[in-house]
Amino acid sequence: DAKTTQPTSMDCAEGRAANLPCNHSTISGNEYVYWYRQIHSQGPQYIIHGLKNNETNEMASLIITEDRKSSTLILPHATLRDTAVYYCIVRVMNDYKLSFGAGTTVTVRA
Amino acid sequence: EAGVAQSPRYKIIEKRQSVAFWCNPISGHATLYWYQQILGQGPKLLIQFQNNGVVDDSQLPKDRFSAERLKGVDSTLKIQPAKLEDSAVYLCASSQSFTSTDTQYFGPGTRLTVL
Repeated sequence: DAKTTQPTSMDCAEGRAANLPCNHSTISGNEYVYWYRQIHSQGPQYIIHGLKNNETNEMASLIITEDRKSSTLILPHATLRDTAVYYCIVRVMNDYKLSFGAGTTVTVRA
Repeated sequence: EAGVAQSPRYKIIEKRQSVAFWCNPISGHATLYWYQQILGQGPKLLIQFQNNGVVDDSQLPKDRFSAERLKGVDSTLKIQPAKLEDSAVYLCASSQSFTSTDTQYFGPGTRLTVL
């Protein structure tokens, strides 16, 4: 019962910004938006999360729309090592559960 | 800091056989999770431990799957007997606690093939 919708796949050019969209139109006020990624043959890796403000860390930026119904994960300068499946997850405040959907397969091309 | 360790990395068994997977979480992490990831899907939570107690095992097929976390550190997940549909990657994750903002750190997983 995934609460998010993501494109199945997308390509981006090495060195360019990669913008990964996610729709979460039924998000509640007590739910965070989380992003994880999974590189081939590895476990998922935490990227970033946010509630309603935009967030930035050393890996990426997260832009959440004012109505919170969608968000965009931005990888500012994609490298070949960013090729992975990216998961957008809505997580209830004070709840440990991470409910993964199928994610977006991102391929960074040289 | 050392990450979450899992072994073995790969296992091939015949259906109806038994198999066990081992996980050592990040030192000091109180919460441990086991996930099942079927090819082409995202991980699905099987069981969660807080120290050595089970918090949530609602998605664990208890007729064939069991898990324990003795002494609140490392954990073992067992399947007995295995079915073809159990072919998947079994991921272990840990976090310092189980609050919503606590990051879950994942191990590399064990890929199980049931023939």
